[in-house]
Amino acid sequence: QVTLRESGPALVKPTQTLTLTCTFSGFSLSTSSMCVNWVRQPPGKALEWLALIYWDDDKYYSTSLKTRLTISKDTSKNQVVLTMTNMDPVDTATYYCARSYSGGSGYGMDVWGQGTTVTVSS
Amino acid sequence: QSVLTQPPSASGTPGQRVTISCSGSSSNIGSDTVNWYQHLPGTAPKLLIYRNHQRPSGVPDRFSGSKSGTSASLAISGLQSEDEADYYCAAWDDSLNGHVFGTGTKVTVL
Repeated sequence: QVTLRESGPALVKPTQTLTLTCTFSGFSLSTSSMCVNWVRQPPGKALEWLALIYWDDDKYYSTSLKTRLTISKDTSKNQVVLTMTNMDPVDTATYYCARSYSGGSGYGMDVWGQGTTVTVSS
Repeated sequence: QSVLTQPPSASGTPGQRVTISCSGSSSNIGSDTVNWYQHLPGTAPKLLIYRNHQRPSGVPDRFSGSKSGTSASLAISGLQSEDEADYYCAAWDDSLNGHVFGTGTKVTVL
């Protein structure tokens, strides 16, 4: 059974750096074409894709957030970490990690974590 | 900001058919396949359709997807109360070099 679980702080202050961890099981990020994505949803708004990391450490970022995001993986721990710098109240959202495989649209993000809610406030 | 445009809302009575459109461009829908997600508030999004029209195991055949040119659509036939949710299309965008989601459509069962 494939599962993903997000963890991180529920509250961060403006200008701080957010670090989120996605811990997964049931698959390996060393398997060819496998990848993990980060997606967020601000309250009342649409889903927004943030970043992805492939099995071979290839990384892609949202164009609008690229300068603030860093994604990394620890294959031995089955974890993917997303950091977002210079947090702002507009970054308040539920953050999800999701598995996908194959390039491009591929086969879709087929398994998602339950999400972790992050509030940015002083 | 979303580059895939969906109607904000759609509705129908139980048993009716509802269709949701997703309009993109040559750099996303026009050059790659489309996936659809169902999202109920407070829960994880669920993959509903992948590669334009394929259904993952467990997704009822009441849900169907199609694509033509730079647009795609999701149809829900035999609408049920549990279909009340937000629906998002998504695709890879070659210009942005990343995934893009649609603006989302809230489906209401009257």
